[in-house]
Amino acid sequence: GNSVTQMEGPVTLSEEAFLTINCTYTATGYPSLFWYVQYPGEGLQLLLKATKADDKGSNKGFEATYRKETTSFHLEKGSVQVSDSAVYFCALIRDPLSNDYKLSFGAGTTVTVRA
Amino acid sequence: KAGVTQTPRYLIKTRGQQVTLSCSPISGHRSVSWYQQTPGQGLQFLFEYFSETQRNKGNFPGRFSGRQFSNSRSEMNVSTLELGDSALYLCASTKGGKNTGELFFGEGSRLTVL
Repeated sequence: GNSVTQMEGPVTLSEEAFLTINCTYTATGYPSLFWYVQYPGEGLQLLLKATKADDKGSNKGFEATYRKETTSFHLEKGSVQVSDSAVYFCALIRDPLSNDYKLSFGAGTTVTVRA
Repeated sequence: KAGVTQTPRYLIKTRGQQVTLSCSPISGHRSVSWYQQTPGQGLQFLFEYFSETQRNKGNFPGRFSGRQFSNSRSEMNVSTLELGDSALYLCASTKGGKNTGELFFGEGSRLTVL
């Protein structure tokens, strides 16, 4: 079946540090990959996505590249801010042509950025 | 444009009771999905509805059920509550049709079972 494995947290960083959260996946077909973010007390928000191999998703200074050869979709940000403190989830959905409408999520990585 | 609205936000129930949670999707969105979020199991898919039809169901017991109305609003029901049902229940909507994975989530309904 489909599954997502992401690095365990929590991760604590100082402001302006470099952030990377590893994510690997197993899936059949041609999945689309996502990073969702959950700020304290809120629901999840889509941060970025990539729908095919070698695509790079980017948003709010975050980037992730869909690497089919390593089945990975690592999230990176060059200079984090306190406001980036949140829980980050890697997720996938199977081939859009399939009849599978569920997102499979990783366990989530809690990131805390200190001023 | 209003986001996904879930009610109630917080509720406390006792074992054996039942609960109904409500979700109003973003205007124009016809697909509604439900997820259970717990510290131990993470985010798990419950079910997905589109135009009042359940298209997908996760691996949850029959105590968990849902439905969607003609205005796309959705409800989920959990009967005979167990302690392990304590969780944040998240609803998400999307325009529907194709399976894009781009979901808009509500803030969730936090259920505590005593």
